[in-house]
Amino acid sequence: DQQVKQNSPSLSVQEGRISILNCDYTNSMFDYFLWYKKYPAEGPTFLISISSIKDKNEDGRFTVFLNKSAKHLSLHIVPSQPGDSAVYFCAAINSGTYKYIFGTGTRLKVLA
Amino acid sequence: NAGVTQTPKFQVLKTGQSMTLQCAQDMNHNSMYWYRQDPGMGLRLIYYSASEGTTDKGEVPNGYNVSRLNKREFSLRLESAAPSQTSVYFCASSFSGGDVDTQYFGPGTRLTVL
Repeated sequence: DQQVKQNSPSLSVQEGRISILNCDYTNSMFDYFLWYKKYPAEGPTFLISISSIKDKNEDGRFTVFLNKSAKHLSLHIVPSQPGDSAVYFCAAINSGTYKYIFGTGTRLKVLA
Repeated sequence: NAGVTQTPKFQVLKTGQSMTLQCAQDMNHNSMYWYRQDPGMGLRLIYYSASEGTTDKGEVPNGYNVSRLNKREFSLRLESAAPSQTSVYFCASSFSGGDVDTQYFGPGTRLTVL
């Protein structure tokens, strides 16, 4: 039973355009969500997070939106750059536990 | 400040062999974690340690043991490796573990079991 789902394994976007990566979850006990970026042969690195009491969090070119009623979050990258090409994982957590639940990842390719 | 380091980077084992994956962090973090990443499966938690002296099972602990040697180091042992344990293993650490906080990952160990 996959509690966090990223249904798009891959996404290609032109440089300068918006990239939208999606993530769905099933467990209503999750109250904190994170996005990680992973380059080949490296470990995941933290990108941005959002608490369930918010519906939007912005950090430079990266914005995460949370729709609790739909149990859906998305990561927007504007404008997309070739260096953003990586695998993006969303993760969910029930605060107070140690356990992140990760999605399967979306491979983003930004075309120059 | 090296962050989270893992050794070795690559390893090939034969079925039934044993090995220990090493992880160390220099960020004075309390909590440490071991994950495995398999194609199409995301990252799955094997074991974690909320603080020095404590360890707990994660989602996929079978076939593994861990040791929290001290605050800095957290090792993962495969006693009798199986082909199903072919994977990329990531160690991570976080400051408190008790509240939501960011986990920082090492570069990974790519393990192949023949």
